[in-house]
Amino acid sequence: DAMVIQNPRYQVTQFGKPVTLSCSQTLNHNVMYWYQQKSSQAPKLLFHYYDKDFNNEADTPDNFQSRRPNTSFCFLDIRSPGLGDAAMYLCATSRDQNIQYFGAGTRLSVL
Amino acid sequence: GESVGLHLPTLSVQEGDNSIINCAYSNSASDYFIWYKQESGKGPQFIIDIRSNMDKRQGQRVTVLLNKTVKHLSLQIAATQPGDSAVYFCAGTGRSQGNLIFGKGTKLSVKP
Repeated sequence: DAMVIQNPRYQVTQFGKPVTLSCSQTLNHNVMYWYQQKSSQAPKLLFHYYDKDFNNEADTPDNFQSRRPNTSFCFLDIRSPGLGDAAMYLCATSRDQNIQYFGAGTRLSVL
Repeated sequence: GESVGLHLPTLSVQEGDNSIINCAYSNSASDYFIWYKQESGKGPQFIIDIRSNMDKRQGQRVTVLLNKTVKHLSLQIAATQPGDSAVYFCAGTGRSQGNLIFGKGTKLSVKP
């Protein structure tokens, strides 16, 4: 059974059109992460929520925002997607600083 | 700066042979390391982890070795199977809380 669920698996958006990716978890983990992964590269952390505390990586563009309305859900908002934002977006969860469990990812295409 | 990197981008082994994937890290303060397996089109899957107070940890068919002196860790896969074909990432804790730094990845191909 999937424990970290990302929807949709594939998302197509237009250049400049806002898009939201969602992540839910059944693990009751207190930490949730969003990563960006481009082809043949390692995942790159965008930000994470430690409980309700939002932690943004220094080099994450302002175009990327996140919301965590409750323990189970976390959203990634891309306000004005550019062609360079086409990538796989991975959500992960952990209990404190322990093992991170990943979802299957959402592959975003920008036309 | 912090970095976690892998020595080889690709590794090809014969089915049944043992595989060794290497990883070097730069931050001596890193105290926790994880190996992930990522198959095409899927998210990374946890394989095994090790804390810095250990130098070896074994799982099912996998062993991770940690050498803190030279800041190196390796993943050994015994009796490699076609299902082991994937990209393998090492990841280590960075300076900030919750910040796992991923290495570049090694693509393992298993020949039948």
